[in-house]
Amino acid sequence: GAGVSQSPRYKVAKRGQDVALRCDPISGHVSLFWYQQALGQGPEFLTYFQNEAQLDKSGLPSDRFFAERPEGSVSTLKIQRTQQEDSAVYLCASSLVYSQTSTDTQYFGPGTRLTVL
Amino acid sequence: AQSVTQPDIHITVSEGASLELRCNYSYGATPYLFWYVQSPGQGLQLLLKYFSGDTLVQGIKGFEAEFKRSQSSFNLRKPSVHWSDAAEYFCAVVPATSGTYKYIFGTGTRLKVLA
Repeated sequence: GAGVSQSPRYKVAKRGQDVALRCDPISGHVSLFWYQQALGQGPEFLTYFQNEAQLDKSGLPSDRFFAERPEGSVSTLKIQRTQQEDSAVYLCASSLVYSQTSTDTQYFGPGTRLTVL
Repeated sequence: AQSVTQPDIHITVSEGASLELRCNYSYGATPYLFWYVQSPGQGLQLLLKYFSGDTLVQGIKGFEAEFKRSQSSFNLRKPSVHWSDAAEYFCAVVPATSGTYKYIFGTGTRLKVLA
């Protein structure tokens, strides 16, 4: 079946621009996660959705970062007024179960590489 | 603080040689453990996972990992490496408590395979 897809795969933004990154999770997956992967580092947790509810946004680095999943499927990560330190690969992952009550495998998309000039 | 350590940033092996990638964690209790592989331009692909039971876990592509509680380790092994195994490998842990979903990743080990 189809895996997690993300678009665009690459995004170049000028400092100060707003960007929107899209994630299509595996159909039927309840839980959705966003991670940020800086160059040479492992992914770091940003936020977690259970269906349309954003249950944890503790990893979002600033109030310029905003994520939504209005219908419980597709999710968008928005970064306002981008800064150079926002340059990273943004990974989306989904999981079948309610991740608040059970730990299950997270399936990752290919990521969006954001470069802020 | 909870942490995951992958001590080797880069590893180079010859094709056909055996491979072991190290992963150590620091937690009070046994966490759930994962190994993922990331090829250039690709997302993370799950190789194997350990939740409980047999401490030797078999995964895809001929990989296996052994959980050693006494050493807080979950090392990844492969008896004979193929050129296509060249990639970056990430160990991840999740504390084994209900409601925990934040994967904590190591910094990765980049594997180079010599022909």
